[in-house]
Amino acid sequence: KAGVTQTPRYLIKTRGQQVTLSCSPISGHRSVSWYQQTPGQGLQFLFEYFSETQRNKGNFPGRFSGRQFSNSRSEMNVSTLELGDSALYLCASSLGLAVYEQYFGPGTRLTVT
Amino acid sequence: AQSVTQLGSHVSVSEGALVLLRCNYSSSVPPYLFWYVQYPNQGLQLLLKYTTGATLVKGINGFEAEFKKSETSFHLTKPSAHMSDAAEYFCAVRELAGGTSYGKLTFGQGTILTVHP
Repeated sequence: KAGVTQTPRYLIKTRGQQVTLSCSPISGHRSVSWYQQTPGQGLQFLFEYFSETQRNKGNFPGRFSGRQFSNSRSEMNVSTLELGDSALYLCASSLGLAVYEQYFGPGTRLTVT
Repeated sequence: AQSVTQLGSHVSVSEGALVLLRCNYSSSVPPYLFWYVQYPNQGLQLLLKYTTGATLVKGINGFEAEFKKSETSFHLTKPSAHMSDAAEYFCAVRELAGGTSYGKLTFGQGTILTVHP
């Protein structure tokens, strides 16, 4: 069974631009979560989606948004990029209800210049 | 809010020696606990998990961890380190939001394991 896939793997953007990252969960998984990883702040939760609905949201500004499609694929968007948004963005999927382990993708490395 | 503390940001061992990575958590309810490993330029790989039942859990690659409620700890061990174990290890606790099964993972700051020949 294929794992979690994320595209693109690497991205370079300019401050003020916006970016969209994509995540395809493991087949059959209905829950998708997003995390930001930086050297200073570590791994921080962004949001979680299940059945196309946002179930939980972390403490990030409104510039960070996401959505989930009917096939469970998910996208996250960051508008008006700031230098501090440079990070590894990780997507994780799980079966959802009553299943607790999350499986992570390889991440998208975003660099904002 | 739940929190996770990993004692020691860097741990160095010799090949063949015992690996012990420490994790303590704070939680007002029974937690669900996980250990993940991250190799350079990769995502996180699940090593093992504790949800309910047996407090000593075995994972992949010879790792195991013991849930000790009285000590609020979930330390990761491996009897004999291998060069391929060199990576960064994260302890995480799963929160349950609003009584549902949804939630987020709260991670510790990570421990970088170095294995010397």
